[in-house]
Amino acid sequence: GEDVEQSLFLSVREGDSSVINCTYTDSSSTYLYWYKQEPGAGLQLLTYIFSNMDMKQDQRLTVLLNKKDKHLSLRIADTQTGDSAIYFCAEMFGGATNKLIFGTGTLLAVQP
Amino acid sequence: NAGVTQTPKFQVLKTGQSMTLQCAQDMNHEYMSWYRQDPGMGLRLIHYSVGAGITDQGEVPNGYNVSRSTTEDFPLRLLSAAPSQTSVYFCASSYGAGVNEQYFGPGTRLTVT
Repeated sequence: GEDVEQSLFLSVREGDSSVINCTYTDSSSTYLYWYKQEPGAGLQLLTYIFSNMDMKQDQRLTVLLNKKDKHLSLRIADTQTGDSAIYFCAEMFGGATNKLIFGTGTLLAVQP
Repeated sequence: NAGVTQTPKFQVLKTGQSMTLQCAQDMNHEYMSWYRQDPGMGLRLIHYSVGAGITDQGEVPNGYNVSRSTTEDFPLRLLSAAPSQTSVYFCASSYGAGVNEQYFGPGTRLTVT
């Protein structure tokens, strides 16, 4: 079945880079996503990558995709305290529908 | 636009009670879905709808019903609440399939005692 895995916790110092990793199982996924959830709030789409891309950069965010190993990562440069949140990766499953399979989430704690 | 709204924000139920979680969106999105979020398990898809009159099951549909009589509304019904349904429930909507961003509501925190 579908399974998306992430490490549960990451702690970094303000100004450092953060790297959040994710492994997925469905090799036919066309899109992979990163969502951010701040305390008490819903999820907010941060960025996505199409499966035929290796990398996507969007300001402080860099997404790397290794299709062979089914590994996705999100790098946040110059991490700020406002980046503290839970980060979810997700793969789109099911072709023509928008069924997202989410990872377990990584809690990013940024120390001042 | 209000985006995706959910009511109530919080709810406590006794085992065996039924209730409906409301979800509405004013963005004319075709696709709507319900997720539950449990600690250490991420979000799991309960039911989804690709348009008015069409619904389908997700990963964890048991114990829940949905209907989609209008484009705007997608209520989630708990038929007979169980403690295992204690969770935070999120509704989401998007224009359609593919890369279209899913917009999430603020969530409903449900406790079943």
